[in-house]
Amino acid sequence: QVQLVQSGAEVKKPGASVKVSCKASGYTFTDYFIHWVRQAPGQGLEWMGRINPNNGGPNYAQKFQGRVTMTRDTSISTAYMELSRLRSDDTAVYYCAREYCSRGRCYSFLDYWGQGTLVTVSS
Amino acid sequence: QSALTQPASVSGSPGQSITISCTGTSSDVGTFNLVSWYQQHPAKAPKLMISEVSKRPSGVSDRFSGSKSGNTASLTISGLQAEDEADYYCCSYAGSNTLVFGGGTKLTVL
Repeated sequence: QVQLVQSGAEVKKPGASVKVSCKASGYTFTDYFIHWVRQAPGQGLEWMGRINPNNGGPNYAQKFQGRVTMTRDTSISTAYMELSRLRSDDTAVYYCAREYCSRGRCYSFLDYWGQGTLVTVSS
Repeated sequence: QSALTQPASVSGSPGQSITISCTGTSSDVGTFNLVSWYQQHPAKAPKLMISEVSKRPSGVSDRFSGSKSGNTASLTISGLQAEDEADYYCCSYAGSNTLVFGGGTKLTVL
């Protein structure tokens, strides 16, 4: 069965960076985009960007351009999201999610989600 | 990219029907039939309920349905049940390989 398993909670100081991992199993990793979505405490979902695991090409939300880097390691079916220059308002649960694709076309909906990783930014 | 607009809250009694609206622009909802809806219970990951405006994934109750008119998409839940109480989010493709979410709607089953 399809699973996305994320790394554990992190506590970081302002100005630091955090790197969250998302290990995929149960499907061919390179056939589906991986998206990153975050949710601040008591707030809604916010799309951060996506990565094409096949070629490593990312697309980032304008808000995070210059501060976020999405990468992947196909040998271990794992995607990564690194956010730099952390601020207190980056405190959130970060989710990875798979975009459904079929026969070379992707459909912009997220059919499987990781369990979420809480990142706390505090001095 | 501005977030799609959803009502902050809706409520209904068991057995009733409710509709949650999701208003975007001609750059997202209005142009692409790529609107999806997610249900999120407290402290849980979101769950896909509707894809491509109106398609229901396997395993999702047929009490959930989606539609779109112009720049506004809608999620309708019929025969409300206590377990439907959750937050609901719409999401749309917004061009240039980006997505945008709505602000979320809290559904209360009275």
